[in-house]
Amino acid sequence: QKEVEQDPGPLSVPEGAIVSLNCTYSNSAFQYFMWYRQYSRKGPELLMYTYSSGNKEDGRFTAQVDKSSKYISLFIRDSQPSDSATYLCAIGEGSNYKLTFGKGTLLTVNP
Amino acid sequence: DSGVTQTPKHLITATGQRVTLRCSPRSGDLSVYWYQQSLDQGLQFLIQYYNGEERAKGNILERFSAQQFPDLHSELNLSSLELGDSALYFCASSVLQGNTGELFFGEGSRLTVL
Repeated sequence: QKEVEQDPGPLSVPEGAIVSLNCTYSNSAFQYFMWYRQYSRKGPELLMYTYSSGNKEDGRFTAQVDKSSKYISLFIRDSQPSDSATYLCAIGEGSNYKLTFGKGTLLTVNP
Repeated sequence: DSGVTQTPKHLITATGQRVTLRCSPRSGDLSVYWYQQSLDQGLQFLIQYYNGEERAKGNILERFSAQQFPDLHSELNLSSLELGDSALYFCASSVLQGNTGELFFGEGSRLTVL
């Protein structure tokens, strides 16, 4: 079993839709949970991070962590064409911030 | 622009050859990470350096090596290249201490081995 599993999609939604992206992980030692966004031909950039179970909201984005189920989610409300990108979950432990990434979900938001 | 600079952006070479990828971290960042991204494996952690010293090692092949120099730039050396080494290689940097965990990624070096 891989340490981090993420459905690669692709996922195609109409503009304005609510998008749900998910990852599961196997290592209980993981302490921090992040979502990165990667546009085509660019490096990943941090979208959201959290250290605890529960929800964290930032504008149209909500990150959700359930440590008991080892499950993390990213919700995008009122999705826009500019949200079209690959979304990677990233999970880490320790002080080195050595992150283990999911394979990424390719999202396309159609105008 | 993340502030992390990687060169070259593209590289085409033949099997058995050796290449060097270079990374300049963001100003002030002491920690440098190397990742390999391929379609089938996703983004895989290779190695991390902090202020010139190796800090953590991931799935880095013995044919690959890296170092971080006193000016904090880093180089990833790939030798005896195989077709399967074709991938995007990303460098990332962070401040590490008191960090939220954010890694700042460069735009990557695309390596094609023919």
